[in-house]
Amino acid sequence: GAGVSQSPSNKVTEKGKDVELRCDPISGHTALYWYRQSLGQGLEFLIYFQGNSAPDKSGLPSDRFSAERTGGSVSTLTIQRTQQEDSAVYLCASSSGQHNTGELFFGEGSRLTVL
Amino acid sequence: AQSVAQPEDQVNVAEGNPLTVKCTYSVSGNPYLFWYVQYPNRGLQFLLKYITGDNLVKGSYGFEAEFNKSQTSFHLKKPSALVSDSALYFCAVIGTGRRALTFGSGTRLQVQP
Repeated sequence: GAGVSQSPSNKVTEKGKDVELRCDPISGHTALYWYRQSLGQGLEFLIYFQGNSAPDKSGLPSDRFSAERTGGSVSTLTIQRTQQEDSAVYLCASSSGQHNTGELFFGEGSRLTVL
Repeated sequence: AQSVAQPEDQVNVAEGNPLTVKCTYSVSGNPYLFWYVQYPNRGLQFLLKYITGDNLVKGSYGFEAEFNKSQTSFHLKKPSALVSDSALYFCAVIGTGRRALTFGSGTRLQVQP
């Protein structure tokens, strides 16, 4: 498809388990972002990749969270030892240029529920 | 630090009436401002942006927003609301030297027939 693709769309896991969320950005987009959307809390920035530059990890809430982007395309967000407060919708977005002048294209998100 | 405030959790308006969704921001330097919309069970979609130039910005679906530097506001407006405009609206900002958009907490717009 032409849009940002995320998988899985829904994930239910038990507290303490690790989860991986995948994002396939729009082909050719150099910038990729992960945000977290919690009920009533808006969108919380997690991490930003731009081309071959070092990622901006300033939004990751703890060292249990990590992300990588292989070959400048697909990205995986990993949450280790999940906690109930990690339950949220994890949104991926990509853009073709500098984020401060261009628009972001969002995927439909991965809804994570930690029991 | 940069931040966005959307003071209203929900805005209710009758179809055909004008609507306003409020947004104020705080950034260092000149702001770049955005509005995004999220329809039920859909991803966020870009509506419009202000980078520079005219303070009144026009976007998709008949929406517009007015940048007011003195009031640090970027309110979203539409002259005549449609039921299909009912959705969750997010304001976002990025300031000089920053690398990622900061989003507000969102405002749910409910347009009644």
